[in-house]
Amino acid sequence: QVQLVQSGAEVKKPGASVKVSCKASGYTFTRSYMHWVRQAPGQGLEWMGIIDPSGGSTSYAQKFQGRVTMTRDTSTSTVYMELSSLRSEDTAVYYCSRGGPDFDYWGQGTLVTVSS
Amino acid sequence: EIVLTQSPDFQSVTPKEKITITCRASQSIGNSLHWYQQKPDQSPKLLIKYASQSFSGVPSRFSGSGSGTNFTLTINGLEAEDAAAYYCHQSSGLPYTFGQGTNLEIK
Repeated sequence: QVQLVQSGAEVKKPGASVKVSCKASGYTFTRSYMHWVRQAPGQGLEWMGIIDPSGGSTSYAQKFQGRVTMTRDTSTSTVYMELSSLRSEDTAVYYCSRGGPDFDYWGQGTLVTVSS
Repeated sequence: EIVLTQSPDFQSVTPKEKITITCRASQSIGNSLHWYQQKPDQSPKLLIKYASQSFSGVPSRFSGSGSGTNFTLTINGLEAEDAAAYYCHQSSGLPYTFGQGTNLEIK
């Protein structure tokens, strides 16, 4: 069965970077795009970007351009999302989701807290 | 960027009722519209893809319709476990976008 398992919660100071991982299993990793979506406390869902695990190409929401980097490791079927220059407004749960282009499977979420 | 507007933002209903949630797109998106359910402290779950196709394992009381700019999610015979937030999402073009969500309370 398809599973997306994300790394654990993080606490970061303003200005720092965070790197969240998402390990996929149960399907052919390179055959489905992966998306990152975040959700601030009590708020809705916000799309951050997409990565093609096959070739590594990416596309990011303009809001995050210059601060977000999505990468993948095909040897471990893992995608990564790194967000830099963190500020308090980046406090959120970050989800990876397999996209095709509907988001049929989601990771469990990773809470990133930005606090001084 | 395609803006999705859901209505209502919140609704309180009793079990066995029927509810309709609407999602309006700022431009035509064909049938590239999907619906998700998110319960508190859980990840979203896909309910309906491409406007009207039920995802595997989703109860038959959930259905979707629409095309172009107007879409609906209908839940027939509401059950207590349907208390959740519901989101629409468009995949017609990048950036992908979500509606603001509809919170459903079961009395």
